[in-house]
Amino acid sequence: GIQVEQSPPDLILQEGANSTLRCNFSDSVNNLQWFHQNPWGQLINLFYIPSGTKQNGRLSATTVATERYSLLYISSSQTTDSGVYFCAVEAAGNKLTFGGGTRVLVKP
Amino acid sequence: KAGVTQTPRYLIKTRGQQVTLSCSPISGHRSVSWYQQTPGQGLQFLFEYFSETQRNKGNFPGRFSGRQFSNSRSEMNVSTLELGDSALYLCASSLFTSGEDTQYFGPGTRLTVL
Repeated sequence: GIQVEQSPPDLILQEGANSTLRCNFSDSVNNLQWFHQNPWGQLINLFYIPSGTKQNGRLSATTVATERYSLLYISSSQTTDSGVYFCAVEAAGNKLTFGGGTRVLVKP
Repeated sequence: KAGVTQTPRYLIKTRGQQVTLSCSPISGHRSVSWYQQTPGQGLQFLFEYFSETQRNKGNFPGRFSGRQFSNSRSEMNVSTLELGDSALYLCASSLFTSGEDTQYFGPGTRLTVL
């Protein structure tokens, strides 16, 4: 099956810093989503982005489908950005395969 | 629109028992998927239902089963519980149309098996 790798596994940031999270996947995909998991376990949709670039406030994402990677940018980070960020891809059917996540801690 | 709801939110069971979890999708969504999240294995796909039919199944033993009702609500059942079944069980719904097909997740059911 398709493999999804996220890097880095852990990230510690000072409030106000910028960061880039990466997601590599091993095959062509129909769907790619970025999620933020809050401390209570809820997965919150950030982007649906199988290709191209999108922005939402301080967050933006870019997927280069031909090179099989996606990037999530966090600018001017805030403590509320802390949590685990997941990339998930769908190659066929309606089944998401998740990466291992990047755990982000933003310090005040 | 109300989001995806899951009940119960927390559950404690003992080995050998069985459990049923419920998921109500976003109104109008016909696809419901289930995922298991554990510290060791991460997030793994269990199965997906669309119009009361199971369309996809992950690599889980037959003790894990599910169904979907005509109103798109879904239940999953785990029989003969094992300690390793302790996990956060997440349900997601989507429209599953051509074009953008975002999956929206519920808050999860945290199952502890003692």
